[in-house]
Amino acid sequence: GAVVSQHPSWVICKSGTSVKIECRSLDFQATTMFWYRQFPKQSLMLMATSNEGSKATYEQGVEKDKFLINHASLTLSTLTVTSAHPEDSSFYICSARDNRVDGKLFFGSGTQLSVL
Amino acid sequence: EDQVTQSPEALRLQEGESSSLNCSYTVSGLRGLFWYRQDPGKGPEFLFTLYSAGEEKEKERLKATLTKKESFLHITAPKPEDSATYLCAVAGGTSYGKLTFGQGTILTVHP
Repeated sequence: GAVVSQHPSWVICKSGTSVKIECRSLDFQATTMFWYRQFPKQSLMLMATSNEGSKATYEQGVEKDKFLINHASLTLSTLTVTSAHPEDSSFYICSARDNRVDGKLFFGSGTQLSVL
Repeated sequence: EDQVTQSPEALRLQEGESSSLNCSYTVSGLRGLFWYRQDPGKGPEFLFTLYSAGEEKEKERLKATLTKKESFLHITAPKPEDSATYLCAVAGGTSYGKLTFGQGTILTVHP
């Protein structure tokens, strides 16, 4: 099946710094990627939809200036958490839609962010 | 607004004890209902997509069914390696890739 690579798997940073998370579709082109956030023992919450070559669409309540999304190519989307604070600590997961497989979504392995 | 509710929140089974997980949903124009398995600290792993009421899909010990209001994930003779969180999600309306997730069911299978 299609593979989505997410990097890094985990990151620990100091409060006030910015962290970039990459999501790559390795064997297919993804015009649309999605970023989710998951708090412990809770389900995935969609943060934003990333569209190649255009601005991301953010869900209600998600600060677009804090969670910067760039989808500069058909295989790469990045999420940058700017000026991270402890409340941003969470598990972030990306997914990419593979139109070769009827739009099936494939997920990255996730990034655990811990802000000290 | 699309909504997904999964029950039970947690399920503990003995190895070989069959059971079912429930996913109730409300959605405007169902495009697909998805089941995923998630192991701790990892991203969800795709299991099934169901598109219309009456549809069924099977994979090893798992069988997913769909009605107009809910979906069931049946686990037959589970093994300890089936222990995981099982997530249900729906895609509705015009945005096929935008999924609304349930809170998941934590399944623990004891040997």
